[in-house]
Order: sequence, then structure tokens, then C-alpha cells
Amino acid sequence: GAVVSQHPSWVICKSGTSVKIECRSLDFQATTMFWYRQFPKQSLMLMATSNEGSKATYEQGVEKDKFLINHASLTLSTLTVTSAHPEDSSFYICSARSLDTGSNEQYFGPGTRLTVT
Amino acid sequence: KQEVTQIPAALSVPEGENLVLNCSFTDSAIYNLQWFRQDPGKGLTSLLLIQSSQREQTSGRLNASLDKSSGRSTLYIAASQPGDSATYLCAAIFFGAGGTSYGKLTFGQGTILTVHP
Repeated sequence: GAVVSQHPSWVICKSGTSVKIECRSLDFQATTMFWYRQFPKQSLMLMATSNEGSKATYEQGVEKDKFLINHASLTLSTLTVTSAHPEDSSFYICSARSLDTGSNEQYFGPGTRLTVT
Repeated sequence: KQEVTQIPAALSVPEGENLVLNCSFTDSAIYNLQWFRQDPGKGLTSLLLIQSSQREQTSGRLNASLDKSSGRSTLYIAASQPGDSATYLCAAIFFGAGGTSYGKLTFGQGTILTVHP
């Protein structure tokens, strides 16, 4: 149980285009999903917290107009990188927190490798 | 500032050796602490989660401890195997001002473990 999927697993796009990444909780409902970014040989950095039915909360230094987050249902959150630039190339990982447990445990997706050329 | 630090950054051991990975955190107001494993280019696999009221958790050859007073957690791996080679991350959920937790994970930089045959 507690499986989180991400789609696509990797994507290459041209500079200036927009890319949407999906994060789904497959076998549980998640009121909260988190989006992280990981640069090579670095740890995960939280970008934003996504709550179902409300606006996402962005961490300091993360441009909310560039990284659009939508959490329209209890099983799906999307991250759209708008007007992508090569410096946005990174590994994007989402996590979801289950409604059912009080442990605050987060379950992580497999990540999406974004390369902007 | 609430931070998580992992030492060492990299560790290489021969197969069969018992080893300890260290994690320290700056604030004892911790909700829980998780240890993760990350293989190259992959997402995170949760290994152990320790609630603030617990002192340790065990799963197979893994044992994680938590000492809030000293701000430390350790991950003990017994009888290491080449398949244990990966990056190990610890992450904590801290309480914020007023004792509120928003479930945000703060990650350490990770320890790259190599177990050679």
C-alpha cells in the first residue's frame, strides 16, 4: 500500500515551453502533497506544500508564478513549470501524506527528471 | 533555524561490516524523524520512521535511534551487503512557533554508502 506515482518519469523540453508533472496517490487519499526539487549530488529541497482544494504554500525563494501547483483532488496534484529555462533542469519529486494515519508519514513518488534544452 | 546535518558525506565499507550513519538536528522540538534510501536517479524509499515519543525502530538489519535531548539520530546497518549501497537521507518534521507542525520534512545532505565485496 501507500504507492505514489509520477508522470512522466522523464521529459526533455525546449527553453520557453511549459511542462506539467503529475503526482498521484494510487491507493490512498492525500489531503497534502509536497513538491521537492533535487539538483545533482544535493539533497531534496522543499518547493511547496499543496493542500487539496486550496492554494499551495511556497517556500521562500520559489516563484509561485513559475511553478504552478494544482491539487484538484485527494489523489492528484500537478506541478507546471512555466516558461522553462535550462536552470530549471532538475529532478522533481513529490510526496503525499495519507489521511488515514496520524503519523505524518510521507510517501514519495519515483521522481521526474526534467531537462530543458 | 531548524536544520538537519548528516555525517559523513560518504562512507565506504567492506561487505559484512556493521556500520552507523549519523544525523543531527538543531531543534529538539521534533515531531518525527525518517530515514530514507535513494538509489541513483530514483525516488526515495522510506526505511524507518521514529515518532518523537519513541527512542528506536527496527526493521530487519536496520535499527534507527532517536535522542531528542542531544539532537541526534543514528541508523545502524548490520552485516552490510553490496545491495545496501545507496544514498541514505534523514529528514525531520519540526514543530513551528506555537507548537504547530505543518508536516514539512527538512532533509539532511545525505550519506553516500558504498559496500564493496
